Amino acid sequence: ETGVTQTPRHLVMGMTNKKSLKCEQHLGHNAMYWYKQSAKKPLELMFVYSLEERVENNSVPSRFSPECPNSSHLFLHLHTLQPEDSALYLCASSQGTGIQETQYFGPGTRLLVL
Amino acid sequence: SQQGEEDPQALSIQEGENATMNCSYKTSINNLQWYRQNSGRGLVHLILIRSNEREKHSGRLRVTLDTSKKSSSLLITASRAADTASYFCAPVPSWGKLQFGAGTQVVVTP
Repeated sequence: ETGVTQTPRHLVMGMTNKKSLKCEQHLGHNAMYWYKQSAKKPLELMFVYSLEERVENNSVPSRFSPECPNSSHLFLHLHTLQPEDSALYLCASSQGTGIQETQYFGPGTRLLVL
Repeated sequence: SQQGEEDPQALSIQEGENATMNCSYKTSINNLQWYRQNSGRGLVHLILIRSNEREKHSGRLRVTLDTSKKSSSLLITASRAADTASYFCAPVPSWGKLQFGAGTQVVVTP
């Protein structure tokens, strides 16, 4: 519906697992974002990519590793996560990274770390 | 922090009533955006109001901005059950990105 898709929609993983979240945008945008949304907390911006280059990394632990192979795809590689990493992970895209851009969000991946 | 802070945290109203939520922020902004999130879904952009604008309308939505008070409000008129969602404000400083708050959860009952 918004042109941004995310897979999987739900993921349960153990602390020793390695998994990846995938985001794809069909809007021809040049910027993509990862957000973490925990219950009753503000959305946390994790990473920003512009034209496949990482332009922002907001002090995210190294157990989260983003990858942007092209302007349409964004991955978040996960390894040795902690239970407090359980959250809704949202991907978004925008035409550019200008300050009057609006962002288009995917439906999110609900992650549970056991 | 530049993130928006929405108030109230939760709001319950009946269909046909108006819903008003407020957003406060701390530093100068270039614009402020409002988004809606239905349960378990991504955010959807509703409206953008620039720092030199005081009021903006979109359908049943009315947004005001008072830069002297560093606050904004979102009014939903004649609410419907489909308006049940969380609403987020995101002030945008001239130097940075959207800074979302924790949202106002709105429940509209038939």
